[in-house]
Amino acid sequence: NAGVTQTPKFQVLKTGQSMTLQCAQDMNHEYMSWYRQDPGMGLRLIHYSVGAGITDQGEVPNGYNVSRSTTEDFPLRLLSAAPSQTSVYFCASPPPEGQGTAFYGYTFGSGTRLTVV
Amino acid sequence: AQSVTQLGSHVSVSEGALVLLRCNYSSSVPPYLFWYVQYPNQGLQLLLKYTSAATLVKGINGFEAEFKKSETSFHLTKPSAHMSDAAEYFCAVSRRSNDYKLSFGAGTTVTVRA
Repeated sequence: NAGVTQTPKFQVLKTGQSMTLQCAQDMNHEYMSWYRQDPGMGLRLIHYSVGAGITDQGEVPNGYNVSRSTTEDFPLRLLSAAPSQTSVYFCASPPPEGQGTAFYGYTFGSGTRLTVV
Repeated sequence: AQSVTQLGSHVSVSEGALVLLRCNYSSSVPPYLFWYVQYPNQGLQLLLKYTSAATLVKGINGFEAEFKKSETSFHLTKPSAHMSDAAEYFCAVSRRSNDYKLSFGAGTTVTVRA
């Protein structure tokens, strides 16, 4: 089944450590995005990409970097983790039926639960 | 820019009772609207979507939502709650055209009482 795969599912970091959250999609869509989910705040957009080599900031980009070298992969990097980055992170991309001019929402990955101590 | 407001962070209903979750949006153009459900420790799953084909949209698991442009609302309903409906529900909005960015509401947690 076409979808979005995120790794790892869980991670504990110490303050100041770096890590990369991986995201891969096999739906061949140009658009990919990263959200963080915090209690009472819904999902907030961190970064997004409209195609290989093209990325842009969302609502809460500080402390995160992204790159998009291929259509399939969109990793999210934390260069120096802080306790405020403790959250659940979701990668998302439109499903196959959302190609072209129609937009039918996202297929989400299963999430990465990150704790920074 | 568009934003989404979900009224009520928690809703408690009895099994068999009506479920009503409220969502209002602000948008300068007619939007795409979505409802997602998140079960505990899982990702988000699409319940239903409005893309201008019809104002009353039916989704999975017996849920439906009505788009009311005059009220800028997209409330989610289910006539009879089931224990399995206990979850968190998110309303989301996107502009038309090729803008794929989704703005999410803060979420409403539904508990179902036996």
